[in-house]
Amino acid sequence: DTGVSQNPRHKITKRGQNVTFRCDPISEHNRLYWYRQTLGQGPEFLTYFQNEAQLEKSRLLSDRFSAERPKGSFSTLEIQRTEQGDSAMYLCASSFGTGGYTFGSGTRLTVV
Amino acid sequence: DQQVKQNSPSLSVQEGRISILNCDYTNSMFDYFLWYKKYPAEGPTFLISISSIKDKNEDGRFTVFLNKSAKHLSLHIVPSQPGDSAVYFCAALNSGGSNYKLTFGKGTLLTVNP
Repeated sequence: DTGVSQNPRHKITKRGQNVTFRCDPISEHNRLYWYRQTLGQGPEFLTYFQNEAQLEKSRLLSDRFSAERPKGSFSTLEIQRTEQGDSAMYLCASSFGTGGYTFGSGTRLTVV
Repeated sequence: DQQVKQNSPSLSVQEGRISILNCDYTNSMFDYFLWYKKYPAEGPTFLISISSIKDKNEDGRFTVFLNKSAKHLSLHIVPSQPGDSAVYFCAALNSGGSNYKLTFGKGTLLTVNP
């Protein structure tokens, strides 16, 4: 069990560029979550997968955001046409059934 | 609309003393509560949880108290150690929901001074 892995750890991008983050959950976990944390705030729910099905998306997830979890394994979160307001820590977490969450170390995005 | 509130942005205590971190919630559907600890540049790590059918849960130096009628919970750390210095997040969920998503407070920065 190597925990939840997120890549990259840091990403600096110019406004208007597209970025993609990857999350590798704990292998036997069927649930995968994306959260976003901005400065001075707690993590905010973005979206949730059970196996490969995306079952819920927050209204925070605008049309510029898309998440996938092909084959129910790793997940990607893509942000198109990034804006400065997208600068945040993007956290991935996984769980099995109703068990506790394990969070990854996050990807810190800075849009300049 | 902050459904989970941590009204103290920071707390400073001396090593060996008790740290008490507070959390209030407004959503009556929340029935399971968790505390997470977060160091800079790392993801949150789970500390302790409590179900709404209990009023206290203890794990080593950490105890969580839940007052359902007041919609209030607190985390007690005794004795506090310098390594406990971190941001502490209170989180809540509705276990009857289908997605188990967590609603977090804004966090409290705990500093334990040697």
